Amino acid sequence: DGGITQSPKYLFRKEGQNVTLSCEQNLNHDAMYWYRQDPGQGLRLIYYSQIVNDFQKGDIAEGYSVSREKKESFPLTVTSAQKNPTAFYLCASSMRSWGYTFGSGTRLTVV
Amino acid sequence: DQQVKQNSPSLSVQEGRISILNCDYTNSMFDYFLWYKKYPAEGPTFLISISSIKDKNEDGRFTVFLNKSAKHLSLHIVPSQPGDSAVYFCAASGIGGGADGLTFGKGTHLIIQP
Repeated sequence: DGGITQSPKYLFRKEGQNVTLSCEQNLNHDAMYWYRQDPGQGLRLIYYSQIVNDFQKGDIAEGYSVSREKKESFPLTVTSAQKNPTAFYLCASSMRSWGYTFGSGTRLTVV
Repeated sequence: DQQVKQNSPSLSVQEGRISILNCDYTNSMFDYFLWYKKYPAEGPTFLISISSIKDKNEDGRFTVFLNKSAKHLSLHIVPSQPGDSAVYFCAASGIGGGADGLTFGKGTHLIIQP
């Protein structure tokens, strides 16, 4: 069964700590994306990668970092520099530009 | 500056009636438009899309209309069913497709009442 998997589903982080969200896809998609959703807000693009070993900043990249060492994996690190990290994080992948498949999301809460 | 706007945070429609969700955009470079449906604590799922060379696209109960001169698109759901209750996001991309990311609206929460 092809799909995109995000883990964990829920994550708690203490202030000042870095935390990494996992995103894995077995769809053989070239491009992968990270979005953030806040209550009453749309999805805002954090980072994206169109090919292995390359990635670009989205609209709200400050306080986040990513890597793309493998085609299947695009982990997102929320660093202590992110001022307001509590949010719902969504990973997506696509083969062609507009065929997005989303994961089920990770809800990050800072405690 | 919001480039994709969904001005109705919520919409309540009776089961069996038509649901009309609206979306406006400001960027004239947008070339492709999509609608996604999202349930709580889940990722969005693709619903229907339309290219700027068309003004209508239909898929079963779902039809999307595009008015380029007004920079407006709408999603019609006929007839509305209880399972349609969800948040609907309008999204747009430029000529290159969504390769550098889609721009999303804030969403409209559709509530189908029995």
